[in-house]
Amino acid sequence: DAGITQSPRHKVTETGTPVTLRCHQTENHRYMYWYRQDPGHGLRLIHYSYGVKDTDKGEVSDGYSVSRSKTEDFLLTLESATSSQTSVYFCAISESIRELNTEAFFGQGTRLTVV
Amino acid sequence: AQSVTQLDSHVSVSEGTPVLLRCNYSSSYSPSLFWYVQHPNKGLQLLLKYTSAATLVKGINGFEAEFKKSETSFHLTKPSAHMSDAAEYFCVVSRMDSNYQLIWGAGTKLIIKP
Repeated sequence: DAGITQSPRHKVTETGTPVTLRCHQTENHRYMYWYRQDPGHGLRLIHYSYGVKDTDKGEVSDGYSVSRSKTEDFLLTLESATSSQTSVYFCAISESIRELNTEAFFGQGTRLTVV
Repeated sequence: AQSVTQLDSHVSVSEGTPVLLRCNYSSSYSPSLFWYVQHPNKGLQLLLKYTSAATLVKGINGFEAEFKKSETSFHLTKPSAHMSDAAEYFCVVSRMDSNYQLIWGAGTKLIIKP
């Protein structure tokens, strides 16, 4: 298994509070991604990173920010959590972005509940 | 623009019978296509990928998929279902018109009856 660790694995938080999820990789892959998974939607890309301090928005970036100060760590922050952000969050990594046959490796997921 | 449609939200088969999970895509370019599997409360694992080489792609655990450009389909099949195949399966297309994005289908839950 690819070395990807997400923390925490489960979190319950209150509406309006900031929340940070962490993704840590030991594969030295350049590209890292944050997805959310909701029933009936598959996975949707929130943000991705193509290098240290280089990030870009995905399909559903509103209400989220990211940071990548080191190759191995990619943080996802919910600036002010809302109930609509209750979801399962997956971090993924890949070696390449331009290569069309790139496989993405996924972490175990973080189940976030906003009450 | 690329999109992916998984035609069935749930598929139920008996153990030992064939499995067919259907996926249609739309793409302005020659796409790369993937199938991922997610077992209950687990992460996602690549089953197989199509990258414009052979149109019949073999993956792990006896699964295979055939790329049919004329039908814009990439259906996943297995000759004989096993109880351990019970999971959710996602068809995915890789975009080419931006830096990066994988476009995910909504998923098909495969149920195996004993």
